[in-house]
Amino acid sequence: GNSVTQMEGPVTLSEEAFLTINCTYTATGYPSLFWYVQYPGEGLQLLLKATKADDKGSNKGFEATYRKETTSFHLEKGSVQVSDSAVYFCALGGGATNKLIFGTGTLLAVQP
Amino acid sequence: DVKVTQSSRYLVKRTGEKVFLECVQDMDHENMFWYRQDPGLGLRLIYFSYDVKMKEKGDIPEGYSVSREKKERFSLILESASTNQTSMYLCASSLQDSHYGYTFGSGTRLTVV
Repeated sequence: GNSVTQMEGPVTLSEEAFLTINCTYTATGYPSLFWYVQYPGEGLQLLLKATKADDKGSNKGFEATYRKETTSFHLEKGSVQVSDSAVYFCALGGGATNKLIFGTGTLLAVQP
Repeated sequence: DVKVTQSSRYLVKRTGEKVFLECVQDMDHENMFWYRQDPGLGLRLIYFSYDVKMKEKGDIPEGYSVSREKKERFSLILESASTNQTSMYLCASSLQDSHYGYTFGSGTRLTVV
């Protein structure tokens, strides 16, 4: 079945550091891929998405490219800020299911 | 913007009480979901509904029930609250096809004492 694997946290970075959070997936067909962000005490918000191979999703300085050959959708940001401290979830949707498949979440802590 | 509204941000209930968590969406989405989130356990699906009066069990339905009498409203019911149901509860909605992703509410932090 479909699955998502993302790197375990916590990830601790200094402000202005480069961020990568790895996400790989297993899926049949042509899924859509998502990154959601959850700030402390809040629900999840859609950060970015990509619907087909080689698409790049981007928002708020974050980017992720849908790589079918490596079944990956890694989240990157060139220069993180303290305000980026949150939990990030990778997710997969579409295909035979009407439900998203979520990764376990990665906690990012950015220190000033 | 699609909005998913959960009726309470914080709730404190006593063991044995019947608890209702309400969720309303305003974009005519077919699907609605209830998750609980606990440290180290990620998001776990409790129940979901793909149409009015239709429901399916998720991964952890024990101790919970749901009601969807109108398309825009999906209620989670704890028949007899227990301390192990202390958690963050998240409601989400989506179009029929999960290619479009979910929209989440702000969450309800439930404490059972």
